[in-house]
Amino acid sequence: GAVVSQHPSRVICKSGTSVKIECRSLDFQATTMFWYRQFPKQSLMLMATSNEGSKATYEQGVEKDKFLINHASLTLSTLTVTSAHPEDSSFYICSARGQDPYEQYFGPGTRLTVT
Amino acid sequence: SQKIEQNSEALNIQEGKTATLTCNYTNYSPAYLQWYRQDPGRGPVFLLLIRENEKEKRKERLKVTFDTTLKQSLFHITASQPADSATYLCALARDSNYQLIWGAGTKLIIKP
Repeated sequence: GAVVSQHPSRVICKSGTSVKIECRSLDFQATTMFWYRQFPKQSLMLMATSNEGSKATYEQGVEKDKFLINHASLTLSTLTVTSAHPEDSSFYICSARGQDPYEQYFGPGTRLTVT
Repeated sequence: SQKIEQNSEALNIQEGKTATLTCNYTNYSPAYLQWYRQDPGRGPVFLLLIRENEKEKRKERLKVTFDTTLKQSLFHITASQPADSATYLCALARDSNYQLIWGAGTKLIIKP
């Protein structure tokens, strides 16, 4: 149980285009979903927290107009990177929290490369 | 602000020995601390959680200790195997209402 999927696993896009990443909780309802980015050999950096049906809460320094988050249902959250630039290239990981507030279940991650 | 320190150098351990990884924090004592495993190009996988009122937690070959006086958690893998090779991340939170704060992880290499 507690499986989280992400799609796509890898994406290459051209500078200036937008990319959407999906995060799904497959066998549980996720009251809260988190979006992280991770650079090589660095820790996970929380970008935003989203609760179903409400606006996402963004961490300081994360542009909400650039990283659009939609948590439309208890099993799906999407992250859209708008007008992507090479510096947005990173590993994006989502996680979901169910009824137990202490446990987060992570997706496999999405490798974004902006050329 | 709270910071987490994990050894940034890779830890090389001979198969069969016990691997011990360290997680130090600098500020407030967290309500709980978690350990995750992360393989290259994959998301973290939850391993163990230990609460502030617990000294030790075990799960199969894994053991976690929590010393709030030293502001430190130790993560042990006994009878280590090459399949245990991965990066191990430490994360903590003030309480369940707060987001996790993450360490950068320690890469563990188990040599056959």
